[in-house]
Amino acid sequence: DGGITQSPKYLFRKEGQNVTLSCEQNLNHDAMYWYRQDPGQGLRLIYYSQIVNDFQKGDIAEGYSVSREKKESFPLTVTSAQKNPTAFYLCASSRGQFNQPQHFGDGTRLSIL
Amino acid sequence: GDSVTQMEGPVTLSEEAFLTINCTYTATGYPSLFWYVQYPGEGLQLLLKATKADDKGSNKGFEATYRKETTSFHLEKGSVQVSDSAVYFCALRPGPTNAGGTSYGKLTFGQGTILTVHP
Repeated sequence: DGGITQSPKYLFRKEGQNVTLSCEQNLNHDAMYWYRQDPGQGLRLIYYSQIVNDFQKGDIAEGYSVSREKKESFPLTVTSAQKNPTAFYLCASSRGQFNQPQHFGDGTRLSIL
Repeated sequence: GDSVTQMEGPVTLSEEAFLTINCTYTATGYPSLFWYVQYPGEGLQLLLKATKADDKGSNKGFEATYRKETTSFHLEKGSVQVSDSAVYFCALRPGPTNAGGTSYGKLTFGQGTILTVHP
């Protein structure tokens, strides 16, 4: 079945460590997105990419980095510069047309050791 | 900029009660509107959508009508079940623009409404 796969489901980071969250989609979608969700809050956009080798900062990009070398993949790196990384991270993808919904993965929960 | 406002929760109902979760938006032009549902520990699932004024989206007994005159997209269900307990998010995606495309495709979410249904 087509969908979005995020891994790992749970991730722990030590102080000063960078960690990378994986996101893969086989929906043939052009656009991909990363969101952060904190307890009891909505989603905030970190980065998004409309095409391969291109991406833009979202509302809270500081302390994060991404790459888009393949259409299917959009990994997110949480760097040591992100001082409060504990959150639930959601990856999404969509077709380019404005009326198309975004489809979400099951998320990665990142915690600090 | 675009914004979405949902009614504050949590909402607690008995099984078979009627559900309304209010959602209003601010956006230029003609956005597309969506309702997503999130079960504990999972990602968001698309519940329904509407892409133009007066469209009614429906799925699994849930309905919402795109009201441009009141800029609203309220979610309703006639008889809720315990299995409907989840967090519900209203969202909008901007319509096409000629402004360089920097907001093209981005979703703006409401803050979410927690629904708990008791037997």
